Amino acid sequence: QKEVEQNSGPLSVPEGAIASLNCTYSDRGSQSFFWYRQYSGKSPELIMFIYSNGDKEDGRFTAQLNKASQYVSLLIRDSQPSDSATYLCAVGGAQKLVFGQGTRLTINP
Amino acid sequence: SQTIHQWPATLVQPVGSPLSLECTVEGTSNPNLYWYRQAAGRGLQLLFYSIGIGQISSEVPQNLSASRPQDRQFILSSKKLLLSDSGFYLCAWSGGQGNQPQHFGDGTRLSIL
Repeated sequence: QKEVEQNSGPLSVPEGAIASLNCTYSDRGSQSFFWYRQYSGKSPELIMFIYSNGDKEDGRFTAQLNKASQYVSLLIRDSQPSDSATYLCAVGGAQKLVFGQGTRLTINP
Repeated sequence: SQTIHQWPATLVQPVGSPLSLECTVEGTSNPNLYWYRQAAGRGLQLLFYSIGIGQISSEVPQNLSASRPQDRQFILSSKKLLLSDSGFYLCAWSGGQGNQPQHFGDGTRLSIL
């Protein structure tokens, strides 16, 4: 059974600080890694994807991947109240994704 | 650009009634298509996926079924709904090449009474 583990939170971060979200996965053969943001009552929205070891930056978001440790993280710099949401980590093989349970993030003004 | 349409947005159905949820994708051809269910406060559970017309893979054996009658149309059905079928149903598509991100529709919130 392929598993993706996330701390369910809630993770509380002050406005303007860095939010750090973590995810581990069990399938060493996984090839693709995604972060989705889901606001309450809405569908998930893709915010980052990463395929290779290292860091990938897009605006205030940085995805980090360490395949040896089977670990992927998402950093959100200069956190804003609008970043308050549940963040889902997803790990992919050929045709399917396995999603974690999500981490609920709250940014406090 | 690609868009995904899913309807209805909300649905209230009695126990034992049938169900049909429809999803269509525009702006791409031969997509992979997916149906997920999300229970309140829980993660996404993959129900079905399809890599082509008439090709359906079932992930969770339940009283649900899926069909793909056209390249960009994916339908989720049930003959008799159970109380446990309540949830947020999400359709998603991805490129057919593998290891591609999935993009979600707006979802259908289904309540069973």
